[in-house]
Amino acid sequence: DTGVSQNPRHKITKRGQNVTFRCDPISEHNRLYWYRQTLGQGPEFLTYFQNEAQLEKSRLLSDRFSAERPKGSFSTLEIQRTEQGDSAMYLCASSLDRFRALEAFFGQGTRLTVV
Amino acid sequence: TQLLEQSPQFLSIQEGENLTVYCNSSSVFSSLQWYRQEPGEGPVLLVTVVTGGEVKKLKRLTFQFGDARKDSSLHITAAQPGDTGLYLCAGGWGDYKLSFGAGTTVTVRA
Repeated sequence: DTGVSQNPRHKITKRGQNVTFRCDPISEHNRLYWYRQTLGQGPEFLTYFQNEAQLEKSRLLSDRFSAERPKGSFSTLEIQRTEQGDSAMYLCASSLDRFRALEAFFGQGTRLTVV
Repeated sequence: TQLLEQSPQFLSIQEGENLTVYCNSSSVFSSLQWYRQEPGEGPVLLVTVVTGGEVKKLKRLTFQFGDARKDSSLHITAAQPGDTGLYLCAGGWGDYKLSFGAGTTVTVRA
């Protein structure tokens, strides 16, 4: 399967713990995005990479959040000292270069539950 | 805060009926995408519209982009249970950021 792959699909963690999610984009896509979706809402933009460079971070991304994309391939999103408000679906998407940048293809998401 | 407003929020119809969902904004977008999302899954891209007044058809689905590029509609003809899902519109900001609406939950009863 050559779609966007996210792992794990589900994560339950205790408040205060750190969690890390992984995203493997479609191989020829150089743009990678992270979005967060809470119940009853559409996805909200968190951050975006072009190749290995992180070019924008939303104000939703507090200091407890960090994202990396080493070598411009897979990406990781880490949340430190998780809070109950972090419970959400974390979605990764990728797209081709600027001419088709807004046609984003999403992974299946990682559902985070903080207890 | 969702910059795109979708209506209705919920829609339940019988198989074979037609339906239309709407996506409206006060902002002009460079492009607009429609996605369908099933529970526990990520959104799946259905279509991209970029030109004001553009109409695109995808089998029984018809998408229209408003002349001013601020609104869009999705019309489904002869809906089937497989059309059940959350329909999301997303407006493009610049060349990388999508702003999503809250979605319309469509249920097609057999």
